[in-house]
Amino acid sequence: GAGVSQSPSNKVTEKGKDVELRCDPISGHTALYWYRQSLGQGLEFLIYFQGNSAPDKSGLPSDRFSAERTGGSVSTLTIQRTQQEDSAVYLCASSFLVGTSGSSSTDTQYFGPGTRLTVL
Amino acid sequence: GENVEQHPSTLSVQEGDSAVIKCTYSDSASNYFPWYKQELGKGPQLIIDIRSNVGEKKDQRIAVTLNKTAKHFSLHITETQPEDSAVYFCAASRGNYGQNFVFGPGTRLSVLP
Repeated sequence: GAGVSQSPSNKVTEKGKDVELRCDPISGHTALYWYRQSLGQGLEFLIYFQGNSAPDKSGLPSDRFSAERTGGSVSTLTIQRTQQEDSAVYLCASSFLVGTSGSSSTDTQYFGPGTRLTVL
Repeated sequence: GENVEQHPSTLSVQEGDSAVIKCTYSDSASNYFPWYKQELGKGPQLIIDIRSNVGEKKDQRIAVTLNKTAKHFSLHITETQPEDSAVYFCAASRGNYGQNFVFGPGTRLSVLP
């Protein structure tokens, strides 16, 4: 089936502008993650959504960053008043949360191709 | 919280040789350890994973070993090919939801023809 898709694939913006990045997870996946990857670096966790639960926003670097997930499917990451240090590849991943009474576990994360953001 | 270290940061091998990448983790409650391969311009792709009730898992030329006592796990690639050249990331997870996946910093593998 279709994998995780992200749009746009590339985004060039001017400093101070707002940008929106979109993620379409795999159908049926209940969990969705956003990561940031700076050039040549590892993956930096940003935010996590699981079903109707409150998102885990502990990785967002500043209040200029926000994300929402509508209808438990598509997610949008918004960066306001972009700065040059926001330039990076933004990756989205989804997974299927399997739950049992009193415990839960998250299955493998599947990544999208990423959005390369360049702030001039 | 969990901390994952990965070594080496870069690795060059001759085609046909084996490559080994090692990761250590700090949280003894972690129980799921995936490995991802990231090619240039693409998102990470899962190549193999192991759960804490298994010590070793193999899939063709790729194998992963896990030592829970020492809190380390390794990726082994045998008979390397040029198309194995990529950045490899390990990760550790408790399996509960939240910021539960912690990734290593990555290893850039180059397979020389």
